[in-house]
Amino acid sequence: RKEVEQDPGPFNVPEGATVAFNCTYSNSASQSFFWYRQDCRKEPKLLMSVYSSGNEDGRFTAQLNRASQYISLLIRDSKLSDSATYLCVVRGRAGGTSYGKLTFGQGTILTVHP
Amino acid sequence: DGGITQSPKYLFRKEGQNVTLSCEQNLNHDAMYWYRQDPGQGLRLIYYSQIVNDFQKGDIAEGYSVSREKKESFPLTVTSAQKNPTAFYLCASSAGQGFGGYTFGSGTRLTVV
Repeated sequence: RKEVEQDPGPFNVPEGATVAFNCTYSNSASQSFFWYRQDCRKEPKLLMSVYSSGNEDGRFTAQLNRASQYISLLIRDSKLSDSATYLCVVRGRAGGTSYGKLTFGQGTILTVHP
Repeated sequence: DGGITQSPKYLFRKEGQNVTLSCEQNLNHDAMYWYRQDPGQGLRLIYYSQIVNDFQKGDIAEGYSVSREKKESFPLTVTSAQKNPTAFYLCASSAGQGFGGYTFGSGTRLTVV
């Protein structure tokens, strides 16, 4: 089983649609959770951190369920500019000699069309 | 502005040749990382360094080498022992152990010719 698993998609949605991405992780000791966005042939950029209570940033809402080891990202009112690959990222517990590495899912491709 | 600079943006390597990818950061971050990304795949960790003069192997270190002589710099050498080096290489940094994510450079696209 992969440490972080995502549905690779692709998701093709019209402008204005609501789309949800899901992600599961295998290490119950994971400490921090993120969604990154990666545009074609570019570097990943942090979209938002994910907190246990859930958090929202404009049109984007992230949820974390530690019991189920499940993370989600909801995008409302999709824009053409939202087209990208969305990476689910999990950070392990840091401490001692462990630096708490980031583990990346393979990404979910989103295309928003007119 | 603070950030991470990778160079070159594109690099072509002949069979049997070693090449070095540059990564410099002015964020005053302690930790630096090298990842490899292949088409349609996630990022895989090659090497990481938490502090100057110390570095550790990641998940796919074979055929690669690194050095960390300065806090700001973490160059990656792709040696001739790396049998399939064509990929997108990403350097990242973070403030160290903690809860945060990483900041990435813009990447180097390496092609074997």
